[in-house]
Amino acid sequence: GAGVSQSPSNKVTEKGKDVELRCDPISGHTALYWYRQSLGQGLEFLIYFQGNSAPDKSGLPSDRFSAERTGGSVSTLTIQRTQQEDSAVYLCASTQSGGADTQYFGPGTRLTVL
Amino acid sequence: KQEVTQIPAALSVPEGENLVLNCSFTDSAIYNLQWFRQDPGKGLTSLLLIQSSQREQTSGRLNASLDKSSGRSTLYIAASQPGDSATYLCAVRRRAGNNRKLIWGLGTSLAVNP
Repeated sequence: GAGVSQSPSNKVTEKGKDVELRCDPISGHTALYWYRQSLGQGLEFLIYFQGNSAPDKSGLPSDRFSAERTGGSVSTLTIQRTQQEDSAVYLCASTQSGGADTQYFGPGTRLTVL
Repeated sequence: KQEVTQIPAALSVPEGENLVLNCSFTDSAIYNLQWFRQDPGKGLTSLLLIQSSQREQTSGRLNASLDKSSGRSTLYIAASQPGDSATYLCAVRRRAGNNRKLIWGLGTSLAVNP
């Protein structure tokens, strides 16, 4: 595709429910990143994929958060038993290769946990 | 622990002015530094990336400098235009290899008034 796409653009859920957020990176980009941006806070790195493997999961805030990437393309970020503090904009980015650093970002998914 | 600070938090200028945005980081042992632009609902756009061995990078009306020893980077915008209105973020990558975590500042919100 022309750019990184994310779906849904907005998600409202009730506390305790599970949610899945999707990221479709630029075609051919091997590296994929997930970030979280909370109101009034800076971006927070969550996880980095190179191909289908995740060499750096250091940013996942708890075991309720998990992510996978299949076929070296689409990635899904899953949040189980959502809490109100999970409310944030979740951003996905991709880079052309593992060594490249210019990251191309998607528009984000705004998650609201009631 | 690496911390990134951006000042000012907000800036409002008349069209045509040259302006400087500041980014400081506490640990000078960085791999690279990037400047991004964030527009509401459109995610982030990478503007300039400076490797630790470089002193500056230029793209059009934008010039970013890096002084590792003092832990500072500046983004210079020449002849500002209303279309430059956005939030500008800087981010530092600490090291090479599989640790891809970027440490982000909170951004400078820029308004360029016609």
